[in-house]
Amino acid sequence: KQEVTQIPAALSVPEGENLVLNCSFTDSAIYNLQWFRQDPGKGLTSLLLIQSSQREQTSGRLNASLDKSSGRSTLYIAASQPGDSATYLCAVRGRGSTLGRLYFGRGTQLTVWP
Amino acid sequence: NAGVMQNPRHLVRRRGQEARLRCSPMKGHSHVYWYRQLPEEGLKFMVYLQKENIIDESGMPKERFSAEFPKEGPSILRIQQVVRGDSAAYFCASSPSETANTGELFFGEGSRLTVL
Repeated sequence: KQEVTQIPAALSVPEGENLVLNCSFTDSAIYNLQWFRQDPGKGLTSLLLIQSSQREQTSGRLNASLDKSSGRSTLYIAASQPGDSATYLCAVRGRGSTLGRLYFGRGTQLTVWP
Repeated sequence: NAGVMQNPRHLVRRRGQEARLRCSPMKGHSHVYWYRQLPEEGLKFMVYLQKENIIDESGMPKERFSAEFPKEGPSILRIQQVVRGDSAAYFCASSPSETANTGELFFGEGSRLTVL
């Protein structure tokens, strides 16, 4: 059964720092990996999607990498801002009979203070 | 292009009542997924539907829970005889048909159910 773990569970940093959020998964047979942002009481906003054949994706100050063989992904946030404060969720999509499922980690709760 | 629309955003029910949660997918999307987020827990898959068809309901409790996605209208997640443990945020996601599908899911704002 696929299990997704995110480290750290919480992170508090001053504005301007470069950050690394980690995600690991136990089954490398994935269709893709998606990073989301969730603000308190809100829905999920998709940040980056990496297909299983890709190594990384970039969007603005965000860069996500995928090492499928080792079951790891990293979300890199450059020059963090207070507006980046949110919970960041990593999710992997299964293959075959589990294609319809995303398996989520519990998230990293990020606080960026001015 | 409106995103995934869920309603109601907040719902309060007493134990034993029924809860109905609705989800309208993004325009052009024919796949719908329901996820549940219990307090202090991660999101868990419940069910995956296409129009008039349940593809995978392995994450949904066998009793009291049902889901449908009719030919016309929104997808509905129905919880009968609610109990306090059903209190959670229920998220709906959608994606395009598989032939044009990068596999990206787009989520709604969620429906927050509170059972008194």
